[in-house]
Amino acid sequence: DADVTQTPRNRITKTGKRIMLECSQTKGHDRMYWYRQDPGLGLQLIYYSFDVKDINKGEISDGYSVSRQAQAKFSLSLESAIPNQTALYFCATSEGRGEQFFGPGTRLTVL
Amino acid sequence: QKEVEQDPGPLSVPEGAIVSLNCTYSNSAFQYFMWYRQYSRKGPELLMYTYSSGNKEDGRFTAQVDKSSKYISLFIRDSQPSDSATYLCAPTRGGNKLTFGTGTQLKVEL
Repeated sequence: DADVTQTPRNRITKTGKRIMLECSQTKGHDRMYWYRQDPGLGLQLIYYSFDVKDINKGEISDGYSVSRQAQAKFSLSLESAIPNQTALYFCATSEGRGEQFFGPGTRLTVL
Repeated sequence: QKEVEQDPGPLSVPEGAIVSLNCTYSNSAFQYFMWYRQYSRKGPELLMYTYSSGNKEDGRFTAQVDKSSKYISLFIRDSQPSDSATYLCAPTRGGNKLTFGTGTQLKVEL
């Protein structure tokens, strides 16, 4: 079984809809991250969490919110989706400094 | 100017070629330099990393950092079709926030 899982893997939605992307991990890591990846822009950090009670904004948090329900679960929400939020979204975890382990990604399309 | 610049490619080479992938960066506080590999429709995975300036070798892969010129390189010897992927450099100050380059798409042709 994969250590970092993301659901759904693909989602098509309409402008204005609320969307939640979920991430679960079995690695036992405290640190979790949400990124988006766009062609030509690379990976951009949206939010990160160093433990259940710690949530921090990344480079591009506007239009997004997160919830850390447990050490193993970190959800990303788009309260009112817009077309320029169409992207590939990745969740990642880490034990501390250094390597981050990425999930398989969620491809989100906002029409 | 972006903190990390990377040529997006695509770069196409014949099997067996030596590949050179490069990044430049502007933040002199970066101390750890990581290379991630991302296959199509997959998440990135860490390939290797170096600390400060110098070289590090791992099999067919060599990572090189020149902090004086803020230049990062990844060399792949005897490239294989299975090396076809996007390679992302990711320098960090060590506080676990990575700054990713845009990635270079590599295709190794038979």
